[in-house]
Amino acid sequence: EAQVTQNPRYLITVTGKKLTVTCSQNMNHEYMSWYRQDPGLGLRQIYYSMNVEVTDKGDVPEGYKVSRKEKRNFPLILESPSPNQTSLYFCASSLSFLAGVSNEQFFGPGTRLTVL
Amino acid sequence: DQQVKQNSPSLSVQEGRISILNCDYTNSMFDYFLWYKKYPAEGPTFLISISSIKDKNEDGRFTVFLNKSAKHLSLHIVPSQPGDSAVYFCAASRTYGGSQGNLIFGKGTKLSVKP
Repeated sequence: EAQVTQNPRYLITVTGKKLTVTCSQNMNHEYMSWYRQDPGLGLRQIYYSMNVEVTDKGDVPEGYKVSRKEKRNFPLILESPSPNQTSLYFCASSLSFLAGVSNEQFFGPGTRLTVL
Repeated sequence: DQQVKQNSPSLSVQEGRISILNCDYTNSMFDYFLWYKKYPAEGPTFLISISSIKDKNEDGRFTVFLNKSAKHLSLHIVPSQPGDSAVYFCAASRTYGGSQGNLIFGKGTKLSVKP
């Protein structure tokens, strides 16, 4: 089944404790992206990757890191989480980074993170 | 500054009637627009899209209209069903220039379809 998977689905942690949220897709997609969803703010892009070893900042990259060493994986790293990073996080992928028919992004189920 | 705006946070419609969700954008470079639907505890799922070379795209009960001169698009759901109750996100992207392919999302409209 074609899908985007994220782990963990739920995480409660404390300020300053490094964590990684994994994202994997099995559709051979070039483009992957991370978003956070907050009440009243919609979906905001954190980082994106157009292909292996190519990553760039989105709208709200502060406090986050990413890497794209393999095509299928795009982990989100919080080196020193803070309470303002409490949010619902979504990973997404699409066939290509070019706008057009193939630009529909497929989303993972989400990771709810709470930083105390 | 918000480039994609959904000014109605919520909409309530009776089953069987038409639901109209609106979206405005400010960046004239956007040339591809998408609607996503999101249920609680799930990721957004793609619903329908439209290229800027068209003014209408239809898929079953869902139709998206694009008015480029007004920088406005709308999603029509006819007839509305209780299972359509979800949050709907409008998104826009550009083919050329910086950040090509990235989706810019609106804040979403929560649709409630009452039986």
